[in-house]
Amino acid sequence: DSGVTQTPKHLITATGQRVTLRCSPRSGDLSVYWYQQSLDQGLQFLIQYYNGEERAKGNILERFSAQQFPDLHSELNLSSLELGDSALYFCASSPRPGTGTQETQYFGPGTRLLVL
Amino acid sequence: AQTVTQSQPEMSVQEAETVTLSCTYDTSESDYYLFWYKQPPSRQMILVIRQEAYKQQNATENRFSVNFQKVAKSFSLKISDSQLGDAAMYFCAYRSAWGRDDKIIFGKGTRLHILP
Repeated sequence: DSGVTQTPKHLITATGQRVTLRCSPRSGDLSVYWYQQSLDQGLQFLIQYYNGEERAKGNILERFSAQQFPDLHSELNLSSLELGDSALYFCASSPRPGTGTQETQYFGPGTRLLVL
Repeated sequence: AQTVTQSQPEMSVQEAETVTLSCTYDTSESDYYLFWYKQPPSRQMILVIRQEAYKQQNATENRFSVNFQKVAKSFSLKISDSQLGDAAMYFCAYRSAWGRDDKIIFGKGTRLHILP
């Protein structure tokens, strides 16, 4: 158990719908990362938040957005869903600077999204 | 841009034997981190081992060790005394040093089969 939690574990929805994925980082971690794992694209970085602020953006579609709240949990919002959005979405967190391991990311169990 | 290449999509090894998974990467940076993550059938991403580029000594974690060749940009994972529980997809990953781009770049993965 990495200490990172994600809900829900599974999500089935229809095209055109909107869903919200939730992530709670490990206790004390300030950074949250979102990744998408699909069969054709592999594991891809979407976005990073650090202590409530967006820090880095990857290949995140405009239909997707995220935020990190004051209690440090994060939500990834996916809207106008398409069949190709079906994937496993991971959240990861990393220790705060000064711990000696801040470069390491610990992954949650993932949310499996199926768009029908 | 940095890239990570795993040239072996699948490998098999007899239980109790030793296996080496290959990984090469491309970067112009001198300071970075390398990781191996394991993804068993549960789909959880589990950190296996990490290597700091400025450290010449190869990292070791129990039965797992790496052969880090910085000039050749090679980072292979050796699994000794293979066990059935080692069967998984293994991802090689790269991350720039803290303060720059924090995202992890993953290879496509190597699926490892353990033969009883």
